[in-house]
Amino acid sequence: SQQGEEDPQALSIQEGENATMNCSYKTSINNLQWYRQNSGRGLVHLILIRSNEREKHSGRLRVTLDTSKKSSSLLITASRAADTASYFCATTPTIEYGNKLVFGAGTILRVKS
Amino acid sequence: AAGVIQSPRHLIKEKRETATLKCYPIPRHDTVYWYQQGPGQDPQFLISFYEKMQSDKGSIPDRFSAQQFSDYHSELNMSSLELGDSALYFCASGPRLAGGPAYNEQFFGPGTRLTVL
Repeated sequence: SQQGEEDPQALSIQEGENATMNCSYKTSINNLQWYRQNSGRGLVHLILIRSNEREKHSGRLRVTLDTSKKSSSLLITASRAADTASYFCATTPTIEYGNKLVFGAGTILRVKS
Repeated sequence: AAGVIQSPRHLIKEKRETATLKCYPIPRHDTVYWYQQGPGQDPQFLISFYEKMQSDKGSIPDRFSAQQFSDYHSELNMSSLELGDSALYFCASGPRLAGGPAYNEQFFGPGTRLTVL
């Protein structure tokens, strides 16, 4: 991956448990976004956190951002079988790097019912 | 709510043929991005357009070109196709918000799955 690592690469949990995925990146950023992708399908936008924000919530999702460590985490609470998917973090580097998204390698989440 | 539309959804081509992928952004979105995702890989940025002008370029082969039209739709043209071009091609669009495109969400279309035989 161009951007860095996502940790873990794969995660298997029981329905109802919480899932935490971590993402690290290399450059200074304007924002960081999390996406979900069901097998071989489109990327669904989950949440955006700007570089001056530390935490953001959306429903069962909680995202944190630590710019000093260049890392972010995505927490999915009370997971459901329908949450089974690949999860990618993507950063928008600061303007000198352009306005593209730079993706991490992704975490494959499997929620067992 | 309207989403990004991509066509075709699936495309099968022979080596050395050409392909044109189309993207229709969400209404009132002025920025379009193209990404390529190989099997088991993360999406890789190809090229972007802001207000119909190319705004950034990534790892796009010289055999590929793209443009954004006056109605904001975009087309990715691929020539001399190679086996390695087989991938999912995503278009994303972003809204017109203060701060410029670097600060805004990107919303992805369903992708075009290109298979080169």
